[in-house]
Amino acid sequence: GNSVTQMEGPVTLSEEAFLTINCTYTATGYPSLFWYVQYPGEGLQLLLKATKADDKGSNKGFEATYRKETTSFHLEKGSVQVSDSAVYFCAPLYSGNTPLVFGKGTRLSVIA
Amino acid sequence: GAVVSQHPSRVICKSGTSVKIECRSLDFQATTMFWYRQFPKKSLMLMATSNEGSKATYEQGVEKDKFLINHASLTLSTLTVTSAHPEDSSFYICSARDLWELASSYNEQFFGPGTRLTVL
Repeated sequence: GNSVTQMEGPVTLSEEAFLTINCTYTATGYPSLFWYVQYPGEGLQLLLKATKADDKGSNKGFEATYRKETTSFHLEKGSVQVSDSAVYFCAPLYSGNTPLVFGKGTRLSVIA
Repeated sequence: GAVVSQHPSRVICKSGTSVKIECRSLDFQATTMFWYRQFPKKSLMLMATSNEGSKATYEQGVEKDKFLINHASLTLSTLTVTSAHPEDSSFYICSARDLWELASSYNEQFFGPGTRLTVL
């Protein structure tokens, strides 16, 4: 079935460090791709999205590019802040009204 | 726009009682809502897909008699945990899609803030 694989966490970085969280998905069709973020004790918030190959989603300094050739949607940020500490979920949407398929999540801790 | 609310945000109950969690789309209509469960430091596990006016579709391994889902209107779905036990303690999150966005390529799911259930 459809699935997504995320980089295992936790990831601990110093403030202003560069962040990459890897995400790959199974290549069934052409899914839309999403990154969600969950801050401690809260629900999920959409961080960014991309709907077709080579699209780049961006928000709050985070970026991810839809790479069809490698079936990847890696999340990057050039300079993380303490406030970015959260759990990040990669989620492809395969078709129609099917639910999002979530990766295991990657916990990021940014220390000052 | 596109706000999903959940009520209550937190509930503590005794073992054996039933708890109802409401999920509302505040500014859009949603024919489909999804219920997820999240264990501590774990990912979201889809429990069921709730369609307005029809029976919910449960994922394999989810007890439909224990987790009753009702989707009576385009803006409200409820999850009732019946005869709750400590192992039902978890973070329950609902999600909804905008009816009018189904044909678009975005098809974004909007998430509620979650309900933390603790069963003593």
